[in-house]
Amino acid sequence: SQTIHQWPATLVQPVGSPLSLECTVEGTSNPNLYWYRQAAGRGLQLLFYSVGIGQISSEVPQNLSASRPQDRQFILSSKKLLLSDSGFYLCAWERRGDTEAFFGQGTRLTVV
Amino acid sequence: GESVGLHLPTLSVQEGDNSIINCAYSNSASDYFIWYKQESGKGPQFIIDIRSNMDKRQGQRVTVLLNKTVKHLSLQIAATQPGDSAVYFCADLPSGTSYGKLTFGQGTILTVHP
Repeated sequence: SQTIHQWPATLVQPVGSPLSLECTVEGTSNPNLYWYRQAAGRGLQLLFYSVGIGQISSEVPQNLSASRPQDRQFILSSKKLLLSDSGFYLCAWERRGDTEAFFGQGTRLTVV
Repeated sequence: GESVGLHLPTLSVQEGDNSIINCAYSNSASDYFIWYKQESGKGPQFIIDIRSNMDKRQGQRVTVLLNKTVKHLSLQIAATQPGDSAVYFCADLPSGTSYGKLTFGQGTILTVHP
C-alpha cells in the first residue's frame, strides 16, 4: 500500500530563518507530487508541483522554493522566512493517470 | 472554487439530521469536481467526486449534486453524525489539467451536535 509522510507536524521559526519541510511517498513509483498551503480561514492554494526528479513548476510567486532530489521525495524550502509564510502546508501525491490525490498530515508553520 | 474572505461559512446541525453544504465554482471549463473532508490538524480526505457529464452521484451517506447551469455544487450528508464534524472543501479541475492542480473553495465548517 502507498503512504505519504510529511514532517515535522508543527514548527515555530523566527523571521529570517531558513525552512525545510520534507515529504516522502512510499509504495509507488514516479508519482506527481504537490505542495499546498492553507492559510487560516482559506482554502488550499497550490504552491508547487513536480512530475519527475528535478522538475518543479511554481504556481504562485513567493518566498518559497521546492526541490525533488529523489523520485519519492519532495522538499519545500525558504532561505529567509517571512511572517506571511505562516500557515498549514500540505504535501500530496497522485498516481499518473489516476483520479485521486492523497494528502499528507500537514505541517503547521508559525513564523514569529 | 474560489477562496474569498477570512471567515469560513459554518453549518451547525443536530445528530441525525441531513446536512447540505454548498459550493460555487467559477470556471466553466471545469469538468471534474471533488469534495474533501478535513478534520482539525489533518490533511484533506477524498469523499466523493463527480464529472461534468453527471448531475448526481451517490456514495455511502453522501450525495453530490452538480448544476452546471449556475456553476453550483452541493454535498448532502444523510443522518449526520458527530464524526462528520470537519471542514468540507469543494474543488474543481478544468479539463486537460493534472489532478493535483485542483482549485479549492474556501471550505465550510460543519459542526454536528449530539
